[in-house]
Amino acid sequence: DVKVTQSSRYLVKRTGEKVFLECVQDMDHENMFWYRQDPGLGLRLIYFSYDVKMKEKGDIPEGYSVSREKKERFSLILESASTNQTSMYLCASWDSWNTEAFFGQGTRLTVV
Amino acid sequence: AQKITQTQPGMFVQEKEAVTLDCTYDTSDPSYGLFWYKQPSSGEMIFLIYQGSYDQQNATEGRYSLNFQKARKSANLVISASQLGDSAMYFCAMRHLYNNNDMRFGAGTRLTVKP
Repeated sequence: DVKVTQSSRYLVKRTGEKVFLECVQDMDHENMFWYRQDPGLGLRLIYFSYDVKMKEKGDIPEGYSVSREKKERFSLILESASTNQTSMYLCASWDSWNTEAFFGQGTRLTVV
Repeated sequence: AQKITQTQPGMFVQEKEAVTLDCTYDTSDPSYGLFWYKQPSSGEMIFLIYQGSYDQQNATEGRYSLNFQKARKSANLVISASQLGDSAMYFCAMRHLYNNNDMRFGAGTRLTVKP
């Protein structure tokens, strides 16, 4: 019973490439989030969205943008990938009145 | 923005013993929820336990309990009777319930259970 799906588990991209990370949830949640996870830093919030076509910056939005054209899909875009964006990226979604957040399996991105 | 602090990068515990993982938080909003997640080496995030800021009693879920001390702004996770399968990263997180629905995480604690 897959709930939050990220398009790739592993991704290798070249510096300067435009990179798309896709996330789809099947629970009709309003809220969707993108985090990056780095050792010693935990999960840091990049961007989030409360509704279709709405987006809010998190703590580390620089170098990223997002798109939410449909309720179930939230895309993270690296406009011009750099080596310091090599990381694990996690997508999550939850309902405003639900205590539990649901996470995707993560995308390990390597920028060379 | 809210801040979550986990001061223990790594912890060791003997199998069958109890262990406490520390978490402190900082917020001026009275309405919030506190969460603990487990991340095994496979990378999935597993929800363990939730405590609401207005909950009078400490949350418990099986072998997990949350030691909630509101005045001290601490939300420590207690795992009783540790098992080898408990070896993982553990993250504390906080989310405001009404104003902003975004969730912030601490840096995590790597727990290793010794046989």
